[in-house]
Amino acid sequence: RKEVEQDPGPFNVPEGATVAFNCTYSNSASQSFFWYRQDCRKEPKLLMSVYSSGNEDGRFTAQLNRASQYISLLIRDSKLSDSATYLCVVNMKTIFGAGTRLFVKA
Amino acid sequence: DGGITQSPKYLFRKEGQNVTLSCEQNLNHDAMYWYRQDPGQGLRLIYYSQIVNDFQKGDIAEGYSVSREKKESFPLTVTSAQKNPTAFYLCASSIPNRGEQYFGPGTRLTVT
Repeated sequence: RKEVEQDPGPFNVPEGATVAFNCTYSNSASQSFFWYRQDCRKEPKLLMSVYSSGNEDGRFTAQLNRASQYISLLIRDSKLSDSATYLCVVNMKTIFGAGTRLFVKA
Repeated sequence: DGGITQSPKYLFRKEGQNVTLSCEQNLNHDAMYWYRQDPGQGLRLIYYSQIVNDFQKGDIAEGYSVSREKKESFPLTVTSAQKNPTAFYLCASSIPNRGEQYFGPGTRLTVT
């Protein structure tokens, strides 16, 4: 089993839709979790940290489920500009998921 | 402006040549990292350094070497021993043991 697994997608959604991605991890001792966004042929950029209590930043909500060992990212009211690859990161040894591709269509 | 710079943006080399990729940061971060990304794939850790004059191998260190003589700089050498060197190389830095890494713009290396 991979240490961090993501559905590679692509997810094709219309503008205004709500979309959710999950990321599972295998090491139950993992302490910190993050979502990064990567645009085509660019470097990843930190989108948000994932806290135990869950956290929200505008249209984006991140949650952690330690019992089932996954983190999630919810995007509400999708915009065209949300089209990107979303990478989850699990930190004991900073392991990146392979990413989930999102395409938002007009 | 604080940040991470990588140069060059594009690099072309002939097979059998060693090549060194530059990474400089002025964020005052102790930890620095090198990743490799292949098309449609995630990031794979090559080497990382938590402090000056110390570095550790990541998951795919074979065929690569690094040095960390200064806090600001973490150059990566892709040697001729690396079987498939063509890739997108990303450098990052962070406060040690924190997952919030900040990335440079990357270097696309093509070896023919």
